Amino acid sequence: SQTIHQWPATLVQPVGSPLSLECTVEGTSNPNLYWYRQAAGRGLQLLFYSVGIGQISSEVPQNLSASRPQDRQFILSSKKLLLSDSGFYLCAWSGLNSNQPQHFGDGTRLSIL
Amino acid sequence: SQQGEEDPQALSIQEGENATMNCSYKTSINNLQWYRQNSGRGLVHLILIRSNEREKHSGRLRVTLDTSKKSSSLLITASRAADTASYFCVPYGGATNKLIFGTGTLLAVQP
Repeated sequence: SQTIHQWPATLVQPVGSPLSLECTVEGTSNPNLYWYRQAAGRGLQLLFYSVGIGQISSEVPQNLSASRPQDRQFILSSKKLLLSDSGFYLCAWSGLNSNQPQHFGDGTRLSIL
Repeated sequence: SQQGEEDPQALSIQEGENATMNCSYKTSINNLQWYRQNSGRGLVHLILIRSNEREKHSGRLRVTLDTSKKSSSLLITASRAADTASYFCVPYGGATNKLIFGTGTLLAVQP
């Protein structure tokens, strides 16, 4: 069966520090991969999605970047965190077929001090 | 891609009662998906209903789809305290690989 791993679960970082969040998927090949951010009490905002290695689509201009160095690995990064980067970050994967749902990791709670 | 609008924004019921959540969308769809999010956790996919389907069941969940009215509903029967969560509907048009999530319905089931 397929599983998705996301870490760390919580992270507290000072303003201006770098960030690296990692997401890996097991049990499937060529997944579509997604990074979302959720502010407290709000819906999910799609940040990035990828349909293949090295292929990244950015949805909103921001202080973050994403990379997909391997088929089942998706990394969210920042060189210098801002206070506004605080939130709950979720990684998800889906199959290539448009009738397949997305499957989410457990998320990373990021607090910027 | 389009966003579904869930209604009501919040719903509080007693354990054992049924909970109904509604969803409206604007343009034609390929399918519509419902997700649940427990507080502080990732989302869990509940049901996917295709545009040519009118009703779908999964355990205590029943989803209906009316494409003429561009609306869907999620019914949870005999609710339990563990059903307390936010529920999101996501209409999918098929043109892109993206899903757009709204703010959801926050369901509170009182024991």
